[in-house]
Amino acid sequence: DSGVTQTPKHLITATGQRVTLRCSPRSGDLSVYWYQQSLDQGLQFLIQYYNGEERAKGNILERFSAQQFPDLHSELNLSSLELGDSALYFCASSVDGQPNSPLHFGNGTRLTVT
Amino acid sequence: LAKTTQPISMDSYEGQEVNITCSHNNIATNDYITWYQQFPSQGPRFIIQGYKTKVTNEVASLFIPADRKSSTLSLPRVSLSDTAVYYCLVGDKGLTGGGNKLTFGTGTQLKVEL
Repeated sequence: DSGVTQTPKHLITATGQRVTLRCSPRSGDLSVYWYQQSLDQGLQFLIQYYNGEERAKGNILERFSAQQFPDLHSELNLSSLELGDSALYFCASSVDGQPNSPLHFGNGTRLTVT
Repeated sequence: LAKTTQPISMDSYEGQEVNITCSHNNIATNDYITWYQQFPSQGPRFIIQGYKTKVTNEVASLFIPADRKSSTLSLPRVSLSDTAVYYCLVGDKGLTGGGNKLTFGTGTQLKVEL
């Protein structure tokens, strides 16, 4: 058990809808990362937060947004969903957000857009 | 940006030692090398991290030559349960101050057979 909790485990929704994925980092970790993993693209970095502030951005679509709250949990909001957004979304946390600090991953949220 | 290159797949038999090599020609002075293991539909799991020479833990060994342009993950006496994707990561500073984009490559699919 990594200590990172993601909810929900599965989510099925229709195109055009909006969903929110939630992540609780490991106790004591200040930084949260979001990744998207689809069958044909591997693990894609989306965004990083540290202690409530955005720190790095990857190939995150404008339809996607995220935030980290004062209690350090994070939410990833996906809107105007398309079929291609179907993927596993992983949250990871690290103690200080430094590139050499190991990441601890949750078990992901599987999003299916129909 | 430090990019990594790994073999796409490897096959082995139970009880054998497996060595997976990762190339990272543009590694920066302060970057560590980190390896993760991922089982299907689970988040990646931290295996080992090193900076130079050799690091060993209860799961694996990591060999890093003096020029640090490559590294080798060594799994002793693999079993069926070691079948997974293995990722090599090198710290990657983001363009924004203090952030980083830890980018996973395609990884190496290790298949262990009886």
